[in-house]
This record gives sequence, C-alpha cells and structure tokens, in this order.
Amino acid sequence: GNSVTQMEGPVTLSEEAFLTINCTYTATGYPSLFWYVQYPGEGLQLLLKATKADDKGSNKGFEATYRKETTSFHLEKGSVQVSDSAVYFCALILAGGTSYGKLTFGQGTILTVHP
Amino acid sequence: KAGVTQTPRYLIKTRGQQVTLSCSPISGHRSVSWYQQTPGQGLQFLFEYFSETQRNKGNFPGRFSGRQFSNSRSEMNVSTLELGDSALYLCASSLEVGTQETQYFGPGTRLLVL
Repeated sequence: GNSVTQMEGPVTLSEEAFLTINCTYTATGYPSLFWYVQYPGEGLQLLLKATKADDKGSNKGFEATYRKETTSFHLEKGSVQVSDSAVYFCALILAGGTSYGKLTFGQGTILTVHP
Repeated sequence: KAGVTQTPRYLIKTRGQQVTLSCSPISGHRSVSWYQQTPGQGLQFLFEYFSETQRNKGNFPGRFSGRQFSNSRSEMNVSTLELGDSALYLCASSLEVGTQETQYFGPGTRLLVL
C-alpha cells in the first residue's frame, strides 16, 4: 500500500539554525506530495507542494524537492525562527479510484525552536 | 475568500451517544474529505464526498457515516460513541479539477467522549 515515513521527532533547534525534516514515501503510481504544518490547537495549513518529479515547492523560506529516484520529499529551511515551532506533516495523494480525496500522512515531526 | 469552517469546535459526549459534525468548504470547492487525528494513530482518512456522492471510504466501522449536500456542505455522524472516538476531526475541501488537488483544512472539531 501507500505510505509516508518521516524522521522521528521531536526536533529541537536554536533560532537561525538550518532545518531538515526527512520524508520518504512508497506509492503505486505517481503521487503529488505535500508538506502541511499544524500549530497548537489548529487545523493543518498547506506549507508547500510538488506534483511531479524534480518539482521544487517553496513557501515562507521552506523548500522541498520531489525526488522520484529516492522517493523522497525532504523539507528544508535555511534559518528557522521561534514562530516555526509546530508539527510538520508530509503527505501524498494519488489519482482516482481508491485514492479519491485520500491524503496519506506521515506520523508528523514536532519542531521546537528556542531563542 | 473564507476558509473551511467546522462546527462545533468542541464537543463533550458520553459513551453510547451519537454526534454530528458539520463542515462548510471553501466557496466553489466540491470535494470534501474527513480525517480523524489521534495521538496514537495520527491522521487517518475517513471518507470523501463529491457532488453528494461518497467516492472513497477509509477503514472505519459503520458507526462512522457522512453525507454531502447540494451546496457542498458536509456532515459526519458517529453513532454509539466509544471512548476511542475521542479525537480531533478535520475536514478538508478541494476544487476537484483533478483528483490530486490540494486539500485545504478547517480548524477541526475536538470531540471528547467520557
């Protein structure tokens, strides 16, 4: 079946440090890939997405590149801020059939950034 | 444009009761998906509706059901509540131009079953 694996958390960084959160996937077909972020007490917000191999999604200083050869979609940010503290979810979706409307999520990575 | 709205935001119920949660999608979005989020199981897909039809369903018991109205608003119902149904229930909407469309999430309904 389809699955997403994220690096174990929690991740604790100092402000202005470099961030990488690893994400790998298994899918039958060609998925679209997403990163969502969840702040305490809130729903999920779309952070970035990529729909085909070698696409780079970017938003708010975060980037991730769709790597088909390594089935990966690692999230990176050059300089994190305290306000980036949240839970980050990697997800995939496939086309049609049993995949209609179904995002498959990783387990989430808690990020804490200290001043 | 207003985002996805969910009501109520918080609910407390007791075992054996039933509950109905509501979701209003972004204007123009026709697909609504529902997810359950728990600390132990993470985010799990419940079902998806498009044009009032359920097109996909996750691995949940029949106590979990839903429907979609002609204005794309959706409701989900959980009957005979169990303690394990305590969770954050999230709905998400998408344009459904294609079937890999981006989903936009609401703030969720937090359900506590006592």
